[in-house]
Amino acid sequence: GENVEQHPSTLSVQEGDSAVIKCTYSDSASNYFPWYKQELGKRPQLIIDIRSNVGEKKDQRIAVTLNKTAKHFSLHITETQPEDSAVYFCAASTVSNTGTASKLTFGTGTRLQVTL
Amino acid sequence: EAGVAQSPRYKIIEKRQSVAFWCNPISGHATLYWYQQILGQGPKLLIQFQNNGVVDDSQLPKDRFSAERLKGVDSTLKIQPAKLEDSAVYLCASSLVSTGDNEQFFGPGTRLTVL
Repeated sequence: GENVEQHPSTLSVQEGDSAVIKCTYSDSASNYFPWYKQELGKRPQLIIDIRSNVGEKKDQRIAVTLNKTAKHFSLHITETQPEDSAVYFCAASTVSNTGTASKLTFGTGTRLQVTL
Repeated sequence: EAGVAQSPRYKIIEKRQSVAFWCNPISGHATLYWYQQILGQGPKLLIQFQNNGVVDDSQLPKDRFSAERLKGVDSTLKIQPAKLEDSAVYLCASSLVSTGDNEQFFGPGTRLTVL
């Protein structure tokens, strides 16, 4: 099955700096890559996603890049703010065993700490 | 629109006891997922329903875990008997359909502690 690796596990940046989180996936058939933000004690929430027919997508201070050949995708946060502090999960969508549905495989998470 | 609802929010049990979790997805969402999130890890899919049918339960420990979605709306996840390693947050999520790039909306989760 799909395997998603995520690095780094923790990341500390100063307010205003940029943060980059990287993920790799194993299944070349994966075609959808969402990123979720999970604040302490709260539910994961989608912040941005990218489809396999696109190389880059940007939404204000957040951008995601995808390299299908290398099976890499990355989250970029610019001008970080204290409220960006959270755990970020990447995920890859692959077709399930029955072939009738897609399922998400999550990375292990990156704890981002934005310091003043 | 109302989000995914889950109950209870917290549950503490002793090992070998049984426990059940309930999930009500977003209205109109055909697909429902149960995830297990162990502290410090990403969510791991346990089971995925499309309406009231199971489309993926490959990572569900079927000797102790069971789940149902009888009427294609609400779902329950049961653990019987519980083990210490079952301590985790159990997240329910739903999406409009089951294929392609459909956003999954998560509920608040049930934090299970097995003593």
